[in-house]
Amino acid sequence: DTEVTQTPKHLVMGMTNKKSLKCEQHMGHRAMYWYKQKAKKPPELMFVYSYEKLSINESVPSRFSPECPNSSLLNLHLHALQPEDSALYLCASSQGRSLGPTDTQYFGPGTRLTVL
Amino acid sequence: AQSVTQLDSQVPVFEEAPVELRCNYSSSVSVYLFWYVQYPNQGLQLLLKYLSGSTLVKGINGFEAEFNKSQTSFHLRKPSVHISDTAEYFCAVSDSGGYQKVTFGTGTKLQVIP
Repeated sequence: DTEVTQTPKHLVMGMTNKKSLKCEQHMGHRAMYWYKQKAKKPPELMFVYSYEKLSINESVPSRFSPECPNSSLLNLHLHALQPEDSALYLCASSQGRSLGPTDTQYFGPGTRLTVL
Repeated sequence: AQSVTQLDSQVPVFEEAPVELRCNYSSSVSVYLFWYVQYPNQGLQLLLKYLSGSTLVKGINGFEAEFNKSQTSFHLRKPSVHISDTAEYFCAVSDSGGYQKVTFGTGTKLQVIP
């Protein structure tokens, strides 16, 4: 099973709403990632969790709040977003045992977020 | 710092013709190279990767890529494309840093023409 699942597939929210994106994997991977992808652009790294601890935060605004409750689950809590935050949010996971450059990432299908 | 350049933003090609998608990288240390494919409205799928060893790497769906250290390139090829290969292709690089930070190129849209 090399699948990373993400829910919901689509999300529309207002600027005052609070919502969460969910990502799950059952491959025994210990590193999980959040990326943001704008239309016709490459993915941009937001956060990396290694062994359920936040190891990388790429200077992401505090209106994005990640959470890793266990080794299989990764959440991204959203609050007071702006219309420019509309994008495809991708989750990925990797074995993470060495967290080195050979640690291949596997991506989920993404959540298409629209902020009104 | 690592970087990757995909020179072609779009590549149109007729069905059953060969294709090459170009990727050049820059890094001051050893690199590890990846090609990902993204079909419309989907996430990224790993096509192939070069970590070490043979410079010719074979991937899924009939794709292959060749690592050329002297030219700092990692071009993706397929001898005969199919309509279903229409997608966005991203080259990516990670170096021997302390963590898995992948830098993606800007992508190449492969448009297969029937």
